[in-house]
This record gives sequence, structure tokens and C-alpha cells, in this order.
Amino acid sequence: SQQGEEDPQALSIQEGENATMNCSYKTSINNLQWYRQNSGRGLVHLILIRSNEREKHSGRLRVTLDTSKKSSSLLITASRAADTASYFCATDKTYKYIFGTGTRLKVLA
Amino acid sequence: DAGITQSPRYKITETGRQVTLMCHQTWSHSYMFWYRQDLGHGLRLIYYSAAADITDKGEVPDGYVVSRSKTENFPLTLESATRSQTSVYFCASSESGELFFGEGSRLTVL
Repeated sequence: SQQGEEDPQALSIQEGENATMNCSYKTSINNLQWYRQNSGRGLVHLILIRSNEREKHSGRLRVTLDTSKKSSSLLITASRAADTASYFCATDKTYKYIFGTGTRLKVLA
Repeated sequence: DAGITQSPRYKITETGRQVTLMCHQTWSHSYMFWYRQDLGHGLRLIYYSAAADITDKGEVPDGYVVSRSKTENFPLTLESATRSQTSVYFCASSESGELFFGEGSRLTVL
């Protein structure tokens, strides 16, 4: 079974609103990453957070990590139509990267 | 051009045939990966490689074979394709954490 599971599976919001998606995983990790996938394309790296970090920011992205709960969240602030995509978390221990099932985000203009 | 490229991008084959999907990266990254993506399953790791001549199984390795004789290439072979292997296959490479993905190879097995 997969290491990570994202929640919700799908999310639809209005432009300008914030989008929050969550990732839960099962075993201890070195790092957790978030990726975006536009329809029909390869995945693009968004942000990496290490197991000893609790929060990280990159532009409009904010990622938190709670290793005691084995969970992470990705917040996209002031969403835009261009943020419409699928978002995946990936965890690794010794370079074996395991992805979750993804959250499909739709941002309505 | 620099980057990671997959070929072919689209392939239709028949049950029982051998198919090889190619992956080439120009960064000399140590790590390379093969994933398959299916609706409802997200991305599942098939095989990965830490260096030339070092490969290891992922979550769903059955029915697939990989090799890595050169750092830059990581071909994935389906020795006898089955309909359940119809999927989109993604290759990725990494050196220090961040994965760089190819554009995918869409395989249909009839």
C-alpha cells in the first residue's frame, strides 16, 4: 500500500481563496516533499521539508510537518486559476520516494 | 537539451509482446526512478536505482525489468505485456532530494 494519502481527494475553490490539502504517511521519514502535476504533464517539485523542520514557506506556499502525527499540510494562499492541478506528497527514507494518491485542486475564476 | 527525456511518448502494443520504455537524463544524477500512474492509485514506484549497476524494487515491480549500465540511462522493460500494465509511466532522476520528472510515456496494451 502507498505511504502517503492526501486529503481531500478533490477540492474546488474560488480564485483568491486559500487551499489546504493534507498528507498522512505511515512510517518514519527523512524528508517530505510536495509536487504539482498539470493535466497530462510530469510532476514538478514545489517544496521539501526535512523531518527536523516544522514549517517552511516558499512564495504563496506554506508547508507544515508534524512527525508525531505523521502528517503534513500544504497551504496555497490567494489561489489563482493557474494553480488548478493535482498535488502530491512524497516521502522518503533512504531515497525510496513514495507518493500519495493526490489532491485534485480546481480554482474557479 | 539538458533534462530528462522519455521515449516513446505514446505506445500501443499487444498482450504478450515485449516493450521497452527509455529514459535519459543529462545531469548525471545518481538516482533514477520509474513510476506508473493510474487513476485512483496516484504514482506507484516500480523500480529505482542509486547508481549504475545498482537497482532495487519499488512497490509494484512484478512484470517489469530494469537495467542501468550507464548513469544517464534507465530503461524499463515489460517482458510480456499484460492489459493491467496499461498506464502512464514516469521516469525521474534526483541527486539531492528533489525529483525531476520526464513528461511520461503513455502505454496501451490491447
